[in-house]
Amino acid sequence: QKEVEQDPGPLSVPEGAIVSLNCTYSNSAFQYFMWYRQYSRKGPELLMYTYSSGNKEDGRFTAQVDKSSKYISLFIRDSQPSDSATYLCAMSRQIQGAQKLVFGQGTRLTINP
Amino acid sequence: DAGVTQSPTHLIKTRGQQVTLRCSPKSGHDTVSWYQQALGQGPQFIFQYYEEEERQRGNFPDRFSGHQFPNYSSELNVNALLLGDSALYLCASSPTSGPTGELFFGEGSRLTVL
Repeated sequence: QKEVEQDPGPLSVPEGAIVSLNCTYSNSAFQYFMWYRQYSRKGPELLMYTYSSGNKEDGRFTAQVDKSSKYISLFIRDSQPSDSATYLCAMSRQIQGAQKLVFGQGTRLTINP
Repeated sequence: DAGVTQSPTHLIKTRGQQVTLRCSPKSGHDTVSWYQQALGQGPQFIFQYYEEEERQRGNFPDRFSGHQFPNYSSELNVNALLLGDSALYLCASSPTSGPTGELFFGEGSRLTVL
């Protein structure tokens, strides 16, 4: 069983829709939870990170963490064609004094004009 | 302020050959991590370097080795290339003071093994 599970999609929605992306994890040692966005042929860029259970909002993006269910989500409101990318969830835990990051498979998202 | 830079951007090798990929971290960062990203997959952790030493290693064979230089730049070496080594190799840097594991990624080196 993978430590982090993410539905690879692809997911296609019309412009303006609310998008929900999700990941589950099995290791309760994960401390930080992140969402990265990766455009085609580019490296991942950090969108948001959270530490505790609850919601964190940044503009049109909301990250949600439920540690009791080992479940995290990213919501995108008023989605735009420029949001079309692969979204990677990532989680970190401390190993030997360093933070180790584990990624999900990534969900490929397309926003149709 | 330059971000993480990697070279080369693309390269093609044949089975059995050796390859060296290079990375310069973001200014002010002293920790470098390497990831392998196969097509349609998330990045897989290879290893992390700090103070010129390998601090952590993922589940990769010894054919994968690395080095960090005093200026914090890093190299990834892969020997005896296999077809399955074809992937995007990502370098990421971070400051040691960062508690979150937040990484800044380069654009990657796309390796094709024929």
